Amino acid sequence: GQQVMQIPQYQHVQEGEDFTTYCNSSTTLSNIQWYKQRPGGHPVFLIQLVKSGEVKKQKRLTFQFGEAKKNSSLHITATQTTDVGTYFCARRYSGAGSYQLTFGKGTKLSVIP
Amino acid sequence: GAVVSQHPSWVICKSGTSVKIECRSLDFQATTMFWYRQFPKQSLMLMATSNEGSKATYEQGVEKDKFLINHASLTLSTLTVTSAHPEDSSFYICSAARQRNSYNSPLHFGNGTRLTVT
Repeated sequence: GQQVMQIPQYQHVQEGEDFTTYCNSSTTLSNIQWYKQRPGGHPVFLIQLVKSGEVKKQKRLTFQFGEAKKNSSLHITATQTTDVGTYFCARRYSGAGSYQLTFGKGTKLSVIP
Repeated sequence: GAVVSQHPSWVICKSGTSVKIECRSLDFQATTMFWYRQFPKQSLMLMATSNEGSKATYEQGVEKDKFLINHASLTLSTLTVTSAHPEDSSFYICSAARQRNSYNSPLHFGNGTRLTVT
């Protein structure tokens, strides 16, 4: 259906280590969005990928969209304690007369100082 | 700065009472707003799509008579949890997109409302 599968569910890393979360779909995605939710906070939009094979970078964050547009990944280089939070991928799809957003289950990142 | 404002941030109510949550788009008109619910350690689940000037569209399994949505204006949507029960305790978040008809536009989320029903 419209769901996106996200792994891993949890990730504990030592500060300075890298981190990657993966998002997969059984159907071709028209786009994929990534959000970050800090503990106790609300989701904040990070980036959107639209094109096949697209790679975008935001400082230490690298986002990739698969060639087949069925998977995506978020990689953080040299994690810092400020990276703590849950990272969600989400797909936007047409429904109920508008474009709805459905989220993956998220990957909760813990960074050990 | 915040583009979607949600109020209240938290509320504690007694079982059987009703609670109203407001969601406002601050610097744009939102013909469509989305209401999500998030239980602890879980993902965000879409409850309903709020449409200005028309009835809300509810996702499967969400009781429309329990979760009343009113999209009174282009900048305000309200969610009323009626006859709240402890199992309704959750984090409720509204969101809106600046561009309604563009699937490429991101959603801006309110700060959320943490509801605790005792």
